[in-house]
Amino acid sequence: EPEVTQTPSHQVTQMGQEVILRCVPISNHLYFYWYRQILGQKVEFLVSFYNNEISEKSEIFDDQFSVERPDGSNFTLKIRSTKLEDSAMYFCASSASSGGPYNEQFFGPGTRLTVL
Amino acid sequence: AQSVTQLDSHVSVSEGTPVLLRCNYSSSYSPSLFWYVQHPNKGLQLLLKYTSAATLVKGINGFEAEFKKSETSFHLTKPSAHMSDAAEYFCVVSASGANNLFFGTGTRLTVIP
Repeated sequence: EPEVTQTPSHQVTQMGQEVILRCVPISNHLYFYWYRQILGQKVEFLVSFYNNEISEKSEIFDDQFSVERPDGSNFTLKIRSTKLEDSAMYFCASSASSGGPYNEQFFGPGTRLTVL
Repeated sequence: AQSVTQLDSHVSVSEGTPVLLRCNYSSSYSPSLFWYVQHPNKGLQLLLKYTSAATLVKGINGFEAEFKKSETSFHLTKPSAHMSDAAEYFCVVSASGANNLFFGTGTRLTVIP
């Protein structure tokens, strides 16, 4: 069964450093997403991406964040200068279509980011 | 604006007894509603989704949920819990036509042998 994969499973970094979280979506999917979950809090939407551009983003997704699909299979989330409050579990998701009840998003297992 | 409230952070049931995980939603538009499950070290897996075709929705692994507009609820049930059902369950809402999902805080289900 096809699945979304994410690497690494756990990333530890120093405050101020850049990190890149990687995701490989399901191969025939066209829509890609990043979510995060700070420990003890809700899973929160960060950004959606379609046709090589951002289609929606939340208030959390500020200039420190960027997304890219560099090679047609990977989907990356970059945090330019990490802050302590960026420590969270980051989930990647993909879907074949968008919007409404037919938008089944398939999630990866997550990358736990720890900023020291 | 969309939001969901999961009324219980932790539910504990005995194996073979019914499961009820409660969810209330708030939506400015006709909502799409989902239940996702997360087993340890696994991704979030879709259990079921409300498509507006029927108010009682059947999902995988014997789970079902009933959409009650008058109560703004979408509670998840299963007649008989199995040990493998122990996991974190998330109630999720999105506005019709929107891409982003709004998650509840999750309910951890423990199944006692």
